[in-house]
Amino acid sequence: NAGVMQNPRHLVRRRGQEARLRCSPMKGHSHVYWYRQLPEEGLKFMVYLQKENIIDESGMPKERFSAEFPKEGPSILRIQQVVRGDSAAYFCASSPRAGRNNSPLHFGNGTRLTVT
Amino acid sequence: TQLLEQSPQFLSIQEGENLTVYCNSSSVFSSLQWYRQEPGEGPVLLVTVVTGGEVKKLKRLTFQFGDARKDSSLHITAAQPGDTGLYLCAGASVYSGGSNYKLTFGKGTLLTVNP
Repeated sequence: NAGVMQNPRHLVRRRGQEARLRCSPMKGHSHVYWYRQLPEEGLKFMVYLQKENIIDESGMPKERFSAEFPKEGPSILRIQQVVRGDSAAYFCASSPRAGRNNSPLHFGNGTRLTVT
Repeated sequence: TQLLEQSPQFLSIQEGENLTVYCNSSSVFSSLQWYRQEPGEGPVLLVTVVTGGEVKKLKRLTFQFGDARKDSSLHITAAQPGDTGLYLCAGASVYSGGSNYKLTFGKGTLLTVNP
């Protein structure tokens, strides 16, 4: 997992607050994916971004969730007005600029969000 | 929606036993990847299979991709406690244009190997 950096590792928020999760991809990678993992539910795709572009956000809830990957800086997954059901582990993964379909995804160690 | 079904969901065995984990789908994927995840960490790639019927070996692990590229299996020989972890299969779906793709994951098989 070396290379993809996620922070914070643990995040506690009260209901109604905002959560901001950060992901710095591996050097040279310009494709970023966000996944959510709940116990016994596996990894659920949320959003796929390239620099300054959202390629596929079909897995993102329509409200309260947004993601960005600016030209400079990390990718941000933002959850507004968090609810208890948002508690989960959120993983970021990156792949090389010229991604091919058999290139692996490199995952970070996740951010564990707990909403109290 | 493409779905990947993994079985069994949980598996607890004794050291030295053999086991097989299955990954099945009704959809065709351009490639299939197997990952292993340990508690508190992100998934780490074990292998990618691309061609229907392909078999790949990684020490005591043998991976097979079905002829129709819809299913795959992972066989572990003489399991060891260090093999304990969550094994995930993931199918690659290519977007139009062919240069970008995303992975759809199964729910995983949680393997425990007891000494």
